[in-house]
Amino acid sequence: GIQVEQSPPDLILQEGANSTLRCNFSDSVNNLQWFHQNPWGQLINLFYIPSGTKQNGRLSATTVATERYSLLYISSSQTTDSGVYFCAVEGETSGSRLTFGEGTQLTVNP
Amino acid sequence: SAVISQKPSRDICQRGTSLTIQCQVDSQVTMMFWYRQQPGQSLTLIATANQGSEATYESGFVIDKFPISRPNLTFSTLTVSNMSPEDSSIYLCSVEDGGWAQANYGYTFGSGTRLTVV
Repeated sequence: GIQVEQSPPDLILQEGANSTLRCNFSDSVNNLQWFHQNPWGQLINLFYIPSGTKQNGRLSATTVATERYSLLYISSSQTTDSGVYFCAVEGETSGSRLTFGEGTQLTVNP
Repeated sequence: SAVISQKPSRDICQRGTSLTIQCQVDSQVTMMFWYRQQPGQSLTLIATANQGSEATYESGFVIDKFPISRPNLTFSTLTVSNMSPEDSSIYLCSVEDGGWAQANYGYTFGSGTRLTVV
């Protein structure tokens, strides 16, 4: 099946700093989503971005489908940004299901 | 976009017992998905539930341990049977939101059930 690798696994920032999270995937995709999992376990959909660039406030994401990677940018980080960020993909040949990466644990210190 | 109500949000259960988790969607969906997230791990798909047919289980998951019901297009349950401490996880349901697909949102998740088995 499709493989999803995220980096870095852990990231510690000071409030106000910027960061870039990366997601590499091994095959062509129909769907790519970025999620934020808060400390209560709730999975928040940040972006649906199988290709191109999107922005939502301090967050933006870019997927280069031909090179099989996606980037999530967080600017002016806040303590509430802390949590785990997951990249998940639906491969073109994998049917309707999401395959998740291992996640990036982000800690933003005040 | 679809809204999913999942309950219970958390539970503490004795080993050897069973827990049934419910997910209710506010719109009709063809497929519902059940995921497990073990402590400190990523999400793993347990099974896909279609209305009117048997659920399709992923490798490593069996119907006797995780029976699933899908009585209609807006509701599904997952039962965790004969629980052991190794079943302590967050369980989440998900749908592929057709309405969202048009607006390019993809899959939506319930708020999760945090299960602790003692």
